[in-house]
Amino acid sequence: ILNVEQSPQSLHVQEGDSTNFTCSFPSSNFYALHWYRWETAKSPEALFVMTLNGDEKKKGRISATLNTKEGYSYLYIKGSQPEDSATYLCAFSRGDGNNRLAFGKGNQVVVIP
Amino acid sequence: NAGVTQTPKFQVLKTGQSMTLQCAQDMNHEYMSWYRQDPGMGLRLIHYSVGAGITDQGEVPNGYNVSRSTTEDFPLRLLSAAPSQTSVYFCASSYSSQSTDTQYFGPGTRLTVL
Repeated sequence: ILNVEQSPQSLHVQEGDSTNFTCSFPSSNFYALHWYRWETAKSPEALFVMTLNGDEKKKGRISATLNTKEGYSYLYIKGSQPEDSATYLCAFSRGDGNNRLAFGKGNQVVVIP
Repeated sequence: NAGVTQTPKFQVLKTGQSMTLQCAQDMNHEYMSWYRQDPGMGLRLIHYSVGAGITDQGEVPNGYNVSRSTTEDFPLRLLSAAPSQTSVYFCASSYSSQSTDTQYFGPGTRLTVL
């Protein structure tokens, strides 16, 4: 069982503020890290797939970085808006050819208008 | 495209009953998987399939069976439901079994076992 940790578990952010949270994963045999956004009563939707150490990805106001040597990824939200309220999931893959993902518990973000 | 569809959306079972959760995708994806989501835990992999006729166990396979007779369908069977199987179940698919392929999730089935 692969241990994927996300912190903080939940956070409240004022509208307009920026925030970030962390996903930690095993640094050995790394292959890929996925970030998903999960809104209440909906299904998880993919944000990013990251593979290379030093990778940076951006989608609108959301961006992510990857450090495979130390085993962590940061997700940033710049200028948070109420529609950013969701749970953000990270998932780690060792690349055993089966697309088996180990998910963290998620970072629940509530943006307060 | 409808994407990944799951039926039913909600289900209540009594202990010992059996049922099948349906999952279908119309994207011609080779890889399909089933996860369960429990409070305070991450999504956990139950079973997966890398193609028609091939299935394998994930992290928490006990109490569940799967089959993959077609590319489109990947049903999950509970042979004798237990209260510990109360959960939200998600089906997902990806183009291939490459670890960089995005998995697309269905809307989920909320199952309660009394």
